[in-house]
Amino acid sequence: KNQVEQSPQSLIILEGKNCTLQCNYTVSPFSNLRWYKQDTGRGPVSLTIMTFSENTKSNGRYTATLDADTKQSSLHITASQLSDSASYICVVISNYGGSQGNLIFGKGTKLSVKP
Amino acid sequence: NAGVTQTPKFRVLKTGQSMTLLCAQDMNHEYMYWYRQDPGMGLRLIHYSVGEGTTAKGEVPDGYNVSRLKKQNFLLGLESAAPSQTSVYFCASSPDRYSPLHFGNGTRLTVT
Repeated sequence: KNQVEQSPQSLIILEGKNCTLQCNYTVSPFSNLRWYKQDTGRGPVSLTIMTFSENTKSNGRYTATLDADTKQSSLHITASQLSDSASYICVVISNYGGSQGNLIFGKGTKLSVKP
Repeated sequence: NAGVTQTPKFRVLKTGQSMTLLCAQDMNHEYMYWYRQDPGMGLRLIHYSVGEGTTAKGEVPDGYNVSRLKKQNFLLGLESAAPSQTSVYFCASSPDRYSPLHFGNGTRLTVT
């Protein structure tokens, strides 16, 4: 069964610190992987897209990595800010649909950045 | 350019009542989706549409119906609401099946 597992479920860090969120998936066939940021009370917003051939991609203070062999991705946040407090959702896109559509969502990691 | 707009933002229903959630997008996207988000669970696909006049079932379609009469609008209907349908509902759109989704800000529905 296609699944996306994220860890940790929640994380609290101090402002200015770095953190890394993990995403493991068992999705086949794999097309690409995305990280979304969801602020409280808002819809998710796309942060980055990783294709099969990409290992690392940065978007400001966010850096995503992908290891297609081990089926793992990580999202690294550098010099965290209070505005980084949100849920971060890993989404894996398959080339096939099915009842889930071709997007398989993780449950998210809830990040809280404290002053 | 408003993106994806959902109405209403909040709603409380009694068991057995019906309602329609409206999603409108102004980006000329072909694909539109309805998801529900519950605590401790990932977003789950209810129904989706790959173009005007088409709809398809997602992972959790029971108790819901949809219509896409116009390209820019995607309606989600609950014919007889149940407490299990208490959730936050998100609409999303994309130009094709591989592009990032653009989400609305959700409708929080409570069924008592």
